Amino acid sequence: HVQLQQSGPGLVKPSQTLSLTCAISGDSVSSNSATWNWIRQSPSGGLEWLGRTYYRSKWDNDYALSVRSRITISPDTSKNQFSLQLNSVTPDDTAVYYCVRRNDYNYVFDYWGQGTLVTVSS
Amino acid sequence: EIVLTQSPGTLSLSPGERATLSCRASQSVSSSYLAWYQQKPGQAPRPLIYGASSRATGIPDRFSGSGSGTDFTLTISRLEPEDFAVYYCQQYGYLPYTFGQGTKLEIK
Repeated sequence: HVQLQQSGPGLVKPSQTLSLTCAISGDSVSSNSATWNWIRQSPSGGLEWLGRTYYRSKWDNDYALSVRSRITISPDTSKNQFSLQLNSVTPDDTAVYYCVRRNDYNYVFDYWGQGTLVTVSS
Repeated sequence: EIVLTQSPGTLSLSPGERATLSCRASQSVSSSYLAWYQQKPGQAPRPLIYGASSRATGIPDRFSGSGSGTDFTLTISRLEPEDFAVYYCQQYGYLPYTFGQGTKLEIK
């Protein structure tokens, strides 16, 4: 059974960097049959896919255009986890952030972390 | 990017009734890579339907999905009290993956 456990601060100051980590159990971040994603949900409820990391003979990433200049998603194979860094945050980045596995069997986003409310405020 | 528009925004029904939720895409969704998720307050979204019409693991058969191209439907045949929640459609055929804005299913 796959579990994703998120950690990281819930309050970030404007212009600073948002950093979250997602620890994986029951699967491997290096799996050839899954991708590891970050999705956020705004206070109004809208869901936005931010990006992903995955391994297919080499590591690769894809990012949403809206955050591409500010985002890094990176794996840590030694700890079996992956992380999100979002630079130069503004109050518009206030949201619940989820780490999510997408499997390559049916391509569903099947396992979600518990969510972290990140508030951007001074 | 593909924009998904869900309707109605809110649906008020009683337990035992049939619910029909719509999701329309701004362009054709590749190979019916369309999913539906259910979200309850304080919880992460849970997958219900993938590939437009296949139920995810553990989802009861009162939930069904249909459609192709740009028009998709989620049907709940007989509403149970635990079905009142927010429902989102999502396309995963093209990057960036996108979600609809959600339909809130509330008790009448």
